[in-house]
Amino acid sequence: GAGVSQSPSNKVTEKGKDVELRCDPISGHTALYWYRQSLGQGLEFLIYFQGNSAPDKSGLPSDRFSAERTGGSVSTLTIQRTQQEDSAVYLCASSLLSRNTEAFFGQGTRLTVV
Amino acid sequence: GEDVEQSLFLSVREGDSSVINCTYTDSSSTYLYWYKQEPGAGLQLLTYIFSNMDMKQDQRLTVLLNKKDKHLSLRIADTQTGDSAIYFCAGGSYTGGFKTIFGAGTRLFVKA
Repeated sequence: GAGVSQSPSNKVTEKGKDVELRCDPISGHTALYWYRQSLGQGLEFLIYFQGNSAPDKSGLPSDRFSAERTGGSVSTLTIQRTQQEDSAVYLCASSLLSRNTEAFFGQGTRLTVV
Repeated sequence: GEDVEQSLFLSVREGDSSVINCTYTDSSSTYLYWYKQEPGAGLQLLTYIFSNMDMKQDQRLTVLLNKKDKHLSLRIADTQTGDSAIYFCAGGSYTGGFKTIFGAGTRLFVKA
């Protein structure tokens, strides 16, 4: 596609439910990143994919968070047993190869856990 | 771990210059970036500088890098109301894969 697409754009879920957030990177971009932006906070690095593998998962806040990427394209971030502190905007970015001279960001998924 | 710090707010008058400052801790950062986030929009890359450079100018934007002090700044000349946004400083380095660490963002208010 023309840009990084994320879905859904907004998600309201009940505490304890699982959610899946989807990211469609720019076609041909092999590097994909997930970040989290909490209200009034900066971007918190979650995970990075190079192709389908994730060399750096150090930012995942807990074992409730997982991510996968298939076919070197679409990525899914899954949050199990959501908690209120998971409420944030989840941003996905992609870049060409692993030389992150420019990361292109999606519009984000605003997750609200009630 | 790696950290990027920047002040949270800056207010300037239209027509004045804005200077947004940032410090980072990872000396292996090979790229330093400035991203802009306008209200309701995603992040967009404004400019970047390689770690072996000390200055880069792009129209109204000037980036200064002091690698010894790990200090990065963004100067916006003739600031306009349309420059009001959040500006994120970021550092990128290779650590088993390329990772970019962002600061908390500086919210720039431009008063007419």
